[in-house]
Amino acid sequence: ELKVEQNPLFLSMQEGKNYTIYCNYSTTSDRLYWYRQDPGKSLESLFVLLSNGAVKQEGRLMASLDTKARLSTLHITAAVHDLSATYFCAGRYDKVIFGPGTSLSVIP
Amino acid sequence: KAGVTQTPRYLIKTRGQQVTLSCSPISGHRSVSWYQQTPGQGLQFLFEYFSETQRNKGNFPGRFSGRQFSNSRSEMNVSTLELGDSALYLCASKPPDFGTGELFFGEGSRLTVL
Repeated sequence: ELKVEQNPLFLSMQEGKNYTIYCNYSTTSDRLYWYRQDPGKSLESLFVLLSNGAVKQEGRLMASLDTKARLSTLHITAAVHDLSATYFCAGRYDKVIFGPGTSLSVIP
Repeated sequence: KAGVTQTPRYLIKTRGQQVTLSCSPISGHRSVSWYQQTPGQGLQFLFEYFSETQRNKGNFPGRFSGRQFSNSRSEMNVSTLELGDSALYLCASKPPDFGTGELFFGEGSRLTVL
């Protein structure tokens, strides 16, 4: 059964700094998703990564996928307060399974 | 295009009662998935329906059930509620299978069991 892990689970970072969230998955996943959730809100899709080596960028966020290492990363560049949220990665085997989430807090 | 609509948004029940939650997917989406979100367990998959058929089921007791109607609307039911069923229940729909499989989530139904 597909299992998805993320680290760190909690991340406090200063504005302007860079950081990376890591997502490991246990078995074959034919695609990898990243979602954002603000407190009390639903999940918003950020990226869909479909193949090995895929890289997607939107603003200060960049996601990549290495299927051989079963690893996806979400890189944050020059963080701003508006990026404070919980970020989930999810893999798909026969169903979409989510990681535990990384709670990101960007401090001025 | 209207998003995924879930009703009710908030509800409070007592132990032993049952509850029914409703989800209307995005127009044209025929697949609906349900997830339970709690602080301790995170997002856990409940079930997925496609064209009125359950395609997948998560590891939840039989008290959790669901169905899908011919218009793709879905309901989930939890019987004999327990305190641990307090959670945010999220419904997601997705476009036809030849797409990316990206899930589009509703705002959720927040259930509190007293």
